[in-house]
Amino acid sequence: LAKTTQPISMDSYEGQEVNITCSHNNIATNDYITWYQQFPSQGPRFIIQGYKTKVTNEVASLFIPADRKSSTLSLPRVSLSDTAVYYCLVGPYNYGQNFVFGPGTRLSVLP
Amino acid sequence: DAGVTQSPTHLIKTRGQQVTLRCSPKSGHDTVSWYQQALGQGPQFIFQYYEEEERQRGNFPDRFSGHQFPNYSSELNVNALLLGDSALYLCASSLADHTGELFFGEGSRLTVL
Repeated sequence: LAKTTQPISMDSYEGQEVNITCSHNNIATNDYITWYQQFPSQGPRFIIQGYKTKVTNEVASLFIPADRKSSTLSLPRVSLSDTAVYYCLVGPYNYGQNFVFGPGTRLSVLP
Repeated sequence: DAGVTQSPTHLIKTRGQQVTLRCSPKSGHDTVSWYQQALGQGPQFIFQYYEEEERQRGNFPDRFSGHQFPNYSSELNVNALLLGDSALYLCASSLADHTGELFFGEGSRLTVL
């Protein structure tokens, strides 16, 4: 599985756009990039998944450059309730059953 | 539609004891995975069950065992508890032919004294 590197923590203010970048230099051809969000004392929740270019849903956008060696999760106009840990995971489409979670990025949204 | 449910939500055990945690997957899901999450760390994969068999296993000792029932629900058993087994145990369900999205329960918080 490709190793991922993301910032340990980030701070932001309400209403700002937050971009969390994940590096995955050893990503394989059949690997997908998936992001999860976790609130304290809860299980992780799927946010978004992509393979290349840009993916957008009602919660976030995922930008993936052509070389796919990194990806950026973009959260538009964050609120206090977006304070959570965000995990970047990389693995084959059919490998999702045992995704490898790193320490994630702890996002703190301040008023 | 009920999501993934886990029981108990909290429990306290002493070293050497045994514990059983239970998980009911999201309706329609046939695959259950178990994760251990220590404080301040990401979830670590324990094992995955599909068709009542352990399909994949992470780097956990044999003290950790599981079972999947015909209704797809699952149990995680941990024997000879150690202090280091204190953690949040998460169950995740999915379809065998999935899209990469795991549905997690809220976990069982185990404290070993």
